[in-house]
Amino acid sequence: GAVVSQHPSWVICKSGTSVKIECRSLDFQATTMFWYRQFPKQSLMLMATSNEGSKATYEQGVEKDKFLINHASLTLSTLTVTSAHPEDSSFYICSARPMGLADNEQFFGPGTRLTVL
Amino acid sequence: AQKITQTQPGMFVQEKEAVTLDCTYDTSDPSYGLFWYKQPSSGEMIFLIYQGSYDQQNATEGRYSLNFQKARKSANLVISASQLGDSAMYFCAMREESYNTDKLIFGTGTRLQVFP
Repeated sequence: GAVVSQHPSWVICKSGTSVKIECRSLDFQATTMFWYRQFPKQSLMLMATSNEGSKATYEQGVEKDKFLINHASLTLSTLTVTSAHPEDSSFYICSARPMGLADNEQFFGPGTRLTVL
Repeated sequence: AQKITQTQPGMFVQEKEAVTLDCTYDTSDPSYGLFWYKQPSSGEMIFLIYQGSYDQQNATEGRYSLNFQKARKSANLVISASQLGDSAMYFCAMREESYNTDKLIFGTGTRLQVFP
């Protein structure tokens, strides 16, 4: 099956710093990747849709200047949490769907746990 | 309004028994897909099963089957012959397909615990 990786798997940072999370599709190309946030014991909430070569589409209530998304290639999307604060501590998960595939599956990365002190 | 509703925050089942996890949905899109994912404590999302709105038959994948009742807008997951390794969070999700988007909307999840 298709594999999506995320790096780092966990990160601890100080308040006010920026953190970059990478999402890579290892064995397929994806024009679209998705970024989700999951608070403890809660569901996944879609933050934004990342489109290769164009601007990301953010969900209502998600600050685009705080959560910068770049989808520079068909296998890589990055999420940068700028000026992170403790309330940004969460589990961030990306997903991708292979290009040109009729399959209905969307492949998820293993997630990145962010803790802001 | 909630698009995906999972009313069971937690469920217990004995090993080897079957269990049904409930999911109801709300959409005006005639074309949609319904998904179930498993999330173990490690955090990764594992795809289990998919049902398209136009599929005539209920989807099945091994021990997983989806009881799709379109008129009731329900898509319950049935796990047969439960195993200890089935203990995890289970999320129902929907994709509205008329707008050519892959965006998934998730329910709040059900925590399943399988006991010996």
